[in-house]
Amino acid sequence: NAGVTQTPKFQVLKTGQSMTLQCAQDMNHNSMYWYRQDPGMGLRLIYYSASEGTTDKGEVPNGYNVSRLNKREFSLRLESAAPSQTSVYFCASTKTGELTDTQYFGPGTRLTVL
Amino acid sequence: AQSVTQLGSHVSVSEGALVLLRCNYSSSVPPYLFWYVQYPNQGLQLLLKYTSAATLVKGINGFEAEFKKSETSFHLTKPSAHMSDAAEYFCALGGSYIPTFGRGTSLIVHP
Repeated sequence: NAGVTQTPKFQVLKTGQSMTLQCAQDMNHNSMYWYRQDPGMGLRLIYYSASEGTTDKGEVPNGYNVSRLNKREFSLRLESAAPSQTSVYFCASTKTGELTDTQYFGPGTRLTVL
Repeated sequence: AQSVTQLGSHVSVSEGALVLLRCNYSSSVPPYLFWYVQYPNQGLQLLLKYTSAATLVKGINGFEAEFKKSETSFHLTKPSAHMSDAAEYFCALGGSYIPTFGRGTSLIVHP
């Protein structure tokens, strides 16, 4: 049981390049999330998917798109990367999204945009 | 609107000393509260959570937290710090699909 996996672990992009961050969970969870973590800012929600087939914007969605490919996979796409998107990106999942649910996090993707 | 405030972005303790990390919350509904820990270069993992069953909640690695409704607090404590406790700690408030995270407190443990 791998939990939540993310690829790649590290990535360096040039301004204007595009890339997709991949996330998969093997816990049969319904809800999945993408966060970014920046020093002093804590975790900020980019997008989430309450269930397969649905996606919604979080606190900082500009410059990103997501796809809930199936129940297991939730990808995050940067169409035209900017230096302000340099960050650590975490994917997470929860069983149902209810108030008492624990979030399970992946190991993160460290992205640098030059 | 929900909010979580963690007092102190950094807390420094000596090995063997008491650890106290503060968390205050604001919620219009009965709160469900979590503490997560993030070790260097890793994702967050659950330390403990409060779901109204008991006000004193015990977690992993000797940590515990007490829910105090009158003070709207959920402070995290550990009687004796260990070097391996050095990490970032996040308090969070459960929400319908969207939890609210505090900004985190970095725990520094000195030998």
